[in-house]
Amino acid sequence: EVQLVESGGGLVQPGGSLRLSCAASGFTVSGSYMTWVRQAPGKGLDWVSVIYTGGATYYADSVRGRFTISRDNSKNTLYLQMNSLRLGDTALYYCARGFVGSTTAFEYWGQGTPVTVSS
Amino acid sequence: QSALTQPASVSGSPGQSITISCTGTSSDVGLFNFVSWYQQHPGKAPKLMINDVTHRPSGISDRFSGSKSGNTASLTISGLQPEDEADYYCSSYTSTSTLVFGGGTRLTVL
Repeated sequence: EVQLVESGGGLVQPGGSLRLSCAASGFTVSGSYMTWVRQAPGKGLDWVSVIYTGGATYYADSVRGRFTISRDNSKNTLYLQMNSLRLGDTALYYCARGFVGSTTAFEYWGQGTPVTVSS
Repeated sequence: QSALTQPASVSGSPGQSITISCTGTSSDVGLFNFVSWYQQHPGKAPKLMINDVTHRPSGISDRFSGSKSGNTASLTISGLQPEDEADYYCSSYTSTSTLVFGGGTRLTVL
């Protein structure tokens, strides 16, 4: 059974850093494309970043240069390193696994980890 | 990376059909057949309903269908059921190898 469990969220001051983790089971992160998507309270989905099986990574303009997506194949875990956090980064952060047979859709989602940026 | 444009809300009665539009540009929706649709119930994670414009993942009801014309993609739900009441989001791959979501549409089943 495919499972994704996010962790690492919390309260951080503007300018601070956090590293989110997404522990995967039932599949290998190295063999899947994976993404981070966030949702601010009461708002819509906002795409953050994607990592493909070959290691290519892409970012939304709003986070490029501040966030880094990566994976640890030995731990079967996806990460999102978030630096220089801003008030606007406050959101529930979801990780998701790519849908087999596509390259841009996401079939399995975690339940999210909340990030609050506040002074 | 401007968000795709969706109507804020749509509504329909049980048994009816509704269509949700998703308008992008020639750099995203119009350029690729990589539009997906997600359903999200309150407090829950999104659920993939349609990928690659028209494909339904296994287990998704055939009451859900997708299409595209030019820069606008559409999700049609036929035979509305109470459990279809949710928020719906489209997403598209873009010419800069990124992804973009629509603003979301709240579906109310009257």
